[in-house]
Amino acid sequence: DTAVSQTPKYLVTQMGNDKSIKCEQNLGHDTMYWYKQDSKKFLKIMFSYNNKELIINETVPNRFSPKSPDKAHLNLHINSLELGDSAVYFCASSQALAPYEQYFGPGTRLTVT
Amino acid sequence: QKEVEQNSGPLSVPEGAIASLNCTYSDRGSQSFFWYRQYSGKSPELIMSIYSNGDKEDGRFTAQLNKASQYVSLLIRDSQPSDSATYLCAVNQAGTALIFGKGTTLSVSS
Repeated sequence: DTAVSQTPKYLVTQMGNDKSIKCEQNLGHDTMYWYKQDSKKFLKIMFSYNNKELIINETVPNRFSPKSPDKAHLNLHINSLELGDSAVYFCASSQALAPYEQYFGPGTRLTVT
Repeated sequence: QKEVEQNSGPLSVPEGAIASLNCTYSDRGSQSFFWYRQYSGKSPELIMSIYSNGDKEDGRFTAQLNKASQYVSLLIRDSQPSDSATYLCAVNQAGTALIFGKGTTLSVSS
């Protein structure tokens, strides 16, 4: 069974489009995260939700909007995509907020042309 | 700004040797320390967590933490070619985001 899953795995789209990435975890965890890994492989937190409540919102353009319909799901919607949004987006989950261990999904490679 | 520093490498070791990966962090209030392994094109995989000063061993892996020196390391004994990957150090305080280093690339030659 996949613990943290994401769809789609690859996403190729044009500038200006709107797209969504979905994440689901079956670990029974309370906390979920979105991370962005850029072309230099630097992994950075974007958002964190705990029990469907937004806890961490790093300096991210407001074109990015996370939504957590329930504890097991965390989606990321991106409006007006830009070239600089091209990256790999990882979803992760943990039992609760830090210091608990985080487990990552397989990632979504977004390419904006 | 909270930072986690790692030598980007590549760190090259022969098969069977000990690989030593190092990490320093700037936030003295950090409480949790993690090592992730990331193969090219794959997601980060948690391999070790450590919360208190000293050593923690798990199979061929040993994590070492020295909070006074703000230093955490990962030793990989009997390195195998399958250990070739990027190793990410991550640090956080209670309730805050994980801060990742930029990773050290390890290459184990057979």
